[in-house]
Amino acid sequence: DAGVIQSPRHEVTEMGQEVTLRCKPISGHDYLFWYRQTMMRGLELLIYFNNNVPIDDSGMPEDRFSAKMPNASFSTLKIQPSEPRDSAVYFCASGGLSYEQYFGPGTRLTVT
Amino acid sequence: DQQVKQNSPSLSVQEGRISILNCDYTNSMFDYFLWYKKYPAEGPTFLISISSIKDKNEDGRFTVFLNKSAKHLSLHIVPSQPGDSAVYFCAAGHSGANNLFFGTGTRLTVIP
Repeated sequence: DAGVIQSPRHEVTEMGQEVTLRCKPISGHDYLFWYRQTMMRGLELLIYFNNNVPIDDSGMPEDRFSAKMPNASFSTLKIQPSEPRDSAVYFCASGGLSYEQYFGPGTRLTVT
Repeated sequence: DQQVKQNSPSLSVQEGRISILNCDYTNSMFDYFLWYKKYPAEGPTFLISISSIKDKNEDGRFTVFLNKSAKHLSLHIVPSQPGDSAVYFCAAGHSGANNLFFGTGTRLTVIP
């Protein structure tokens, strides 16, 4: 298995632009998680899905952030409009019945 | 509000010696705990876990200790090797929910 796949690996955009991050979880995993890593707060959970249904989105910073999971093999995290304070590394992770989560390599987002 | 705290942002240890990484949590509902290791430009990878019914779990050079009364856990690495140099994240969760709460990480440097 290729593991969790994220794209793009790096994204540089200007303030006000829309940004879409993509994730393909490990096949057979029922859970998908989106995290944001910053120096101050470490790994923050933004939202997670179970069987494509959003379970907890309380970590989503504000209405500018949205996430979808249209099927078991694909999820997107969208920021519209983006702001410089959104600059961070965004990770997607997937998991099955155990509590372990398997992380993708991350997307480094820079908003100028 | 950080429910999982790693108060040491960094730690340096000589090769061959013991590395001890510490983690504190505030939520008494947490009943399983994990350690993740993260290299630069990669996603975190699972290292070792422990459930609240145990106070110790060992896997090769890695041992995790749990002190529930103090709401404290630690990761011991013996002997430390240069390849162990990475950022280590502590994470916690509770039964019935698959989301994890992460600390801010501790950067371990093992000096050859």
